[in-house]
Amino acid sequence: AQSVTQLGSHVSVSEGALVLLRCNYSSSVPPYLFWYVQYPNQGLQLLLKYTTGATLVKGINGFEAEFKKSETSFHLTKPSAHMSDAAEYFCAVSDSGYYGGSQGNLIFGKGTKLSVKP
Amino acid sequence: NAGVTQTPKFQVLKTGQSMTLQCAQDMNHEYMSWYRQDPGMGLRLIHYSVGAGITDQGEVPNGYNVSRSTTEDFPLRLLSAAPSQTSVYFCASSYLGASGNTIYFGEGSWLTVV
Repeated sequence: AQSVTQLGSHVSVSEGALVLLRCNYSSSVPPYLFWYVQYPNQGLQLLLKYTTGATLVKGINGFEAEFKKSETSFHLTKPSAHMSDAAEYFCAVSDSGYYGGSQGNLIFGKGTKLSVKP
Repeated sequence: NAGVTQTPKFQVLKTGQSMTLQCAQDMNHEYMSWYRQDPGMGLRLIHYSVGAGITDQGEVPNGYNVSRSTTEDFPLRLLSAAPSQTSVYFCASSYLGASGNTIYFGEGSWLTVV
């Protein structure tokens, strides 16, 4: 069974500082991994996803994430935070896998709220 | 191209009332699902469907019913609303391709049960 752990329910950074949001996963099959962002009172927006191939995935708004199989991690980074990055971020793993049995669903972490200080 | 459409966007219910959250997609996706989002809990799967006529329970199915009579529609029914069902509900549809899941979310339905 798959699961996701996001370390830190709240992260605060200064504008211009590095953003690092941590995500560890557990999966019995090669995982598909996702990061979503949610602005207040809005829906979910896909930032990036990892399926296969290159382990460094670039997404929208300057974010990227690196899949590290040995560490079962998929941490999200951005070199320089902007005030507009303040939001809640969710890491998720797909229940699909190479061996079938997919139901097309996602298992989400509990989320990390990012605050950006001026 | 409407994608995934959820209605209503906002709803206030009294305890014990019933209601249906509607979800429709126009992408001919086989997979559809409902999630609820609560503070500090992330999104949790309520029910899902892998095709018309097929539904199954997710992590938190109690108090909810679903049916999938067509590929396009996947309504979520609250039979007797309880304050614990105050939440934000997201419908999603997806397909599985060579690059894994491609998932589309609706804009959410904010439900308050008083």
